[in-house]
Amino acid sequence: NAGVTQTPKFRVLKTGQSMTLLCAQDMNHEYMYWYRQDPGMGLRLIHYSVGEGTTAKGEVPDGYNVSRLKKQNFLLGLESAAPSQTSVYFCASRQQTGGSYEQYFGPGTRLTVT
Amino acid sequence: GESVGLHLPTLSVQEGDNSIINCAYSNSASDYFIWYKQESGKGPQFIIDIRSNMDKRQGQRVTVLLNKTVKHLSLQIAATQPGDSAVYFCAESTGTGRRALTFGSGTRLQVQP
Repeated sequence: NAGVTQTPKFRVLKTGQSMTLLCAQDMNHEYMYWYRQDPGMGLRLIHYSVGEGTTAKGEVPDGYNVSRLKKQNFLLGLESAAPSQTSVYFCASRQQTGGSYEQYFGPGTRLTVT
Repeated sequence: GESVGLHLPTLSVQEGDNSIINCAYSNSASDYFIWYKQESGKGPQFIIDIRSNMDKRQGQRVTVLLNKTVKHLSLQIAATQPGDSAVYFCAESTGTGRRALTFGSGTRLQVQP
């Protein structure tokens, strides 16, 4: 199993440009998450999904949109990138039930907005 | 909102010593806690978790202690190795299904050979 994969790994955008980050998981997990991590800080939740076709806002949702059209994929969109969105973005997934609520993380996407 | 924080931003230890990383949480309703390790350039990796109905849980070379009275969490690493050098995050969860995690800002552990 590949686990959680993210594409692209790196991206540089100009202010105002748009892009989509793709997250894929092959563990049949119900829940998926998008976080951002700024230098020297912990992860902050942007949006999450508890199942195909559902999304919900996290702590810092402004400026981002998400879609979960397929269970295995969770897309994060930036419609008009701003320098404040320069960050490392992590996707995670976890099973809905079970003994652990562990989230499995992808390797991250480093985004720079100039 | 409620937050999870850490006492020490950087911890430096000698190889072979035991390490203790601390975490304070402020949400008294939190009932699930988890520790992650993040190596440079990688995503966080699960270390160990604990529910609020427990005071202690042990894994391989790691132990998590939970003190609900003072809302404090600690991660103990026995016989610290160079491969343990990383940033460690605690996170808490609450609510139905424990859907979301709130992360602390992290502690960097440096292991000196």
